[in-house]
Amino acid sequence: DTAVSQTPKYLVTQMGNDKSIKCEQNLGHDTMYWYKQDSKKFLKIMFSYNNKELIINETVPNRFSPKSPDKAHLNLHINSLELGDSAVYFCASSPRTSEILLNEQFFGPGTRLTVL
Amino acid sequence: GQNIDQPTEMTATEGAIVQINCTYQTSGFNGLFWYQQHAGEAPTFLSYNVLDGLEEKGRFSSFLSRSKGYSYLLLKELQMKDSASYLCAVKDSNYQLIWGAGTKLIIKP
Repeated sequence: DTAVSQTPKYLVTQMGNDKSIKCEQNLGHDTMYWYKQDSKKFLKIMFSYNNKELIINETVPNRFSPKSPDKAHLNLHINSLELGDSAVYFCASSPRTSEILLNEQFFGPGTRLTVL
Repeated sequence: GQNIDQPTEMTATEGAIVQINCTYQTSGFNGLFWYQQHAGEAPTFLSYNVLDGLEEKGRFSSFLSRSKGYSYLLLKELQMKDSASYLCAVKDSNYQLIWGAGTKLIIKP
């Protein structure tokens, strides 16, 4: 009965490969997010998405693309992986759109990506 | 640019009180969040402030001064399980969360 789940938990791959990380939430939330947490522990928003709108952080390379087959899933696809992509990637969800001020986010357990 | 500042690391003693400060400079303000993140785990929500003043929730309290761009998280009766990173995040004028790097809190017996 995990609220926000991600797979895989660990991902080790070679530079240049394409990989996907899956995220599912069973909370009935409207909005989902992808974050990158680097070695310095900064959490950086990559995408936020609800059934109406995808908001992309302009600093995210277009090698990263979110794919949402339905409201409960937001997968992250990464093309041509680079060494600098190594980080922990967190999926999160919230019950309402970002414009609602108190909009608590529930995080998945994270996926530790290592690019060799 | 947008900036959230927190101390990198703090140490406190079990049973004591600790205050973790956060200062911010953002384009607009739509509330400030505190999250707790244990090592190797996901962040979990602790508190939210949008008006000036103190919000108390059990052993944890959070304070906000919008005019000073300042918040603190106060943890009382510290327990060993409180050892974690504490992340300050501000929702800006675009309703996006801007995150600080977190404060690693070490609790000693």
